[in-house]
Amino acid sequence: QKEVEQDPGPLSVPEGAIVSLNCTYSNSAFQYFMWYRQYSRKGPELLMYTYSSGNKEDGRFTAQVDKSSKYISLFIRDSQPSDSATYLCATAGEGNNRLAFGKGNQVVVIP
Amino acid sequence: DAGVTQSPTHLIKTRGQQVTLRCSPKSGHDTVSWYQQALGQGPQFIFQYYEEEERQRGNFPDRFSGHQFPNYSSELNVNALLLGDSALYLCASSSVAEAFFGQGTRLTVV
Repeated sequence: QKEVEQDPGPLSVPEGAIVSLNCTYSNSAFQYFMWYRQYSRKGPELLMYTYSSGNKEDGRFTAQVDKSSKYISLFIRDSQPSDSATYLCATAGEGNNRLAFGKGNQVVVIP
Repeated sequence: DAGVTQSPTHLIKTRGQQVTLRCSPKSGHDTVSWYQQALGQGPQFIFQYYEEEERQRGNFPDRFSGHQFPNYSSELNVNALLLGDSALYLCASSSVAEAFFGQGTRLTVV
């Protein structure tokens, strides 16, 4: 079983729609949860960072973590064409540990 | 703050050769990790350096080695290159678990 599962299927939405992305993870020891945005041929950019369960909001972005079901989500409101990118979920345990990544979701926002 | 910087940005090597990639971490960060990202995949952890020692290692062969210098910068070395080593190599620097990535080095092995 992979540590982090993320359905890599591409997602196309019209501009202004809500984008919903999610991942599941297997290791209950994971305490840190992150979403990265990666534009083509660039390094991943940290978008959201959450410790333990709960919600975190930053502008149009909301990250949710449900540790009881080992489920993490990212919502993008009022999506823009500039949001078109690959979104990677990642988790880590306590301390300065390695990140375990999902495969990534390619999102295309159509003007 | 320059963030995480990596060099070179692109590299083409021949099968069997050796390559060295370099990384300078974000100011204030003392931990450097290296990841390999194949096309269409998420990054895979190679190893992590802290205080000039390899602290953790992922499931990569000994052909992959690294080093961290006293100024926290780091190198990734890959020996006896294989075609399958073609990928984007990412360096991340961190404090606690919040990791910031460089733009990566795209390695092509021909």
